[in-house]
Amino acid sequence: NAGVTQTPKFRILKIGQSMTLQCTQDMNHNYMYWYRQDPGMGLKLIYYSVGAGITDKGEVPNGYNVSRSTTEDFPLRLELAAPSQTSVYFCAIWDRVRNEQFFGPGTRLTVL
Amino acid sequence: AQSVTQLDSHVSVSEGTPVLLRCNYSSSYSPSLFWYVQHPNKGLQLLLKYTSAATLVKGINGFEAEFKKSETSFHLTKPSAHMSDAAEYFCVVSFAGGTSYGKLTFGQGTILTVHP
Repeated sequence: NAGVTQTPKFRILKIGQSMTLQCTQDMNHNYMYWYRQDPGMGLKLIYYSVGAGITDKGEVPNGYNVSRSTTEDFPLRLELAAPSQTSVYFCAIWDRVRNEQFFGPGTRLTVL
Repeated sequence: AQSVTQLDSHVSVSEGTPVLLRCNYSSSYSPSLFWYVQHPNKGLQLLLKYTSAATLVKGINGFEAEFKKSETSFHLTKPSAHMSDAAEYFCVVSFAGGTSYGKLTFGQGTILTVHP
C-alpha cells in the first residue's frame, strides 16, 4: 500500500451519527484522494487535495467534508450519516514520478 | 472530460484458456491508462499502466494490454488463465497534466471467473 494507512477497517454507524475516516501517508506526497466503492461499481472520487491547505471536490462530494492541515493526514468527515453512504472508502496518494496511485486498504462503512 | 467503458461486466473462462477483458476510453488529452485488480474483500493492486511509451504493455502475473489510439481501446489479455486470476478488474483512465491533478476515472469493473 506504499505507506498509506486507513483507520478504522470497519465501522457501523446509525443514521445521523458522525464520524471521521482517517488516512495517513508517510512518503511526503502532495496529492491525496478519497474514493468510495459501492457494490458492483468502480471507485468514484469524493474529494482530493494537492497539498496541505488545499482541497477540492470530486465527483460525489455531497455529505462529506475534508481537511488537509498537514501533508501526512487527509481525514474524511461524515457529519450526518445516511444509508446511502454505506460503502467501502479508499484513500490514495499519487506518486507523480511514477505516475501511479497507491491505495490504502480501505474502510468498510455500514450505515443502518 | 474522460470516461471509461468496460464492455463486459462478467467474463467466465476455463483454467488454461486465454483471457480477454475489454476496455474503451474517452479522453480529451493524451491519457494514462491503467488496469487494477481487486480480489474479494481486498484492496486494489496495479496490474499494468500505459503512459505514452510502448503501446504493448506487460504487467504482473502474465497480463498484458495494448493501447490502440485509433480504436480508443486498452484491452487486457492473458494467454492462459489461472484459478488465482479470479477477481474483479478495473480499467482506469487519467490525465497527468494541467488541472487534472492525477484524478482517476474508473470503469464499472469486470468480474473474471475461472473454472477448473
